[in-house]
Amino acid sequence: EVQLVESGGGLVQPGRSLRLSCAASGFTFSSYWMHWVRQAPGKGLVWVSLIKTDGVSTNYADSVKGRFTISRDNAKNTLYLQMNSLRVEDTAVYYCARENIAVIPAVDLWGRGTLVTVSS
Amino acid sequence: SYELTQPPSVSVSPGQTATITCSGDRLGDRFACWYQQMPGQSPVLVIYQDTKRPSGIPERFSGSNSGNTATLTISGTQAVDEADYYCQAWDSQDVVFGGGTKLTVL
Repeated sequence: EVQLVESGGGLVQPGRSLRLSCAASGFTFSSYWMHWVRQAPGKGLVWVSLIKTDGVSTNYADSVKGRFTISRDNAKNTLYLQMNSLRVEDTAVYYCARENIAVIPAVDLWGRGTLVTVSS
Repeated sequence: SYELTQPPSVSVSPGQTATITCSGDRLGDRFACWYQQMPGQSPVLVIYQDTKRPSGIPERFSGSNSGNTATLTISGTQAVDEADYYCQAWDSQDVVFGGGTKLTVL
């Protein structure tokens, strides 16, 4: 089955760190660009970060630049998001998403999300 | 930074046509796509490259993009189409989402 499964969310205090993981299965993970997208409770979708197939080319939203790091392990079919210096406003469901740039230039596969709550 | 603006809500009667707009500076010069998100669910792609439907998306979903506005049209709207809809485009190497539109079918 083609799917993305996020993990690593939870309750964390402001200023602390958390690492999210996203396990991909059912497709050739190394061939796709990957995103992290978040959604605060009751709010809209907000793009967080992108990593291309080479694992070196990355982009970040201004709100997380310098605090979050996206990475991937193509051998393990896994995407990561290292989140440092977390803030209350980082509270959200974090979705892992696949960009099918070669066929359908859009996000054509989403995970179910993992909830990150930043609170003291 | 680039911004995409959507109306917060749109209402439509069953069987009628729903139109959801997405506005951005010269948006027609970029490709737009649309996602549907049911309550408690992950988003689903319904339109990409302005007008194309992924496999499995009903024909009643269509899109257009010209000038400063992209439009998602749902013809013969059904109760099952009640959801939040988000437009999305690229700004250089960054992804931008619209604020979302809640479609109510009543």
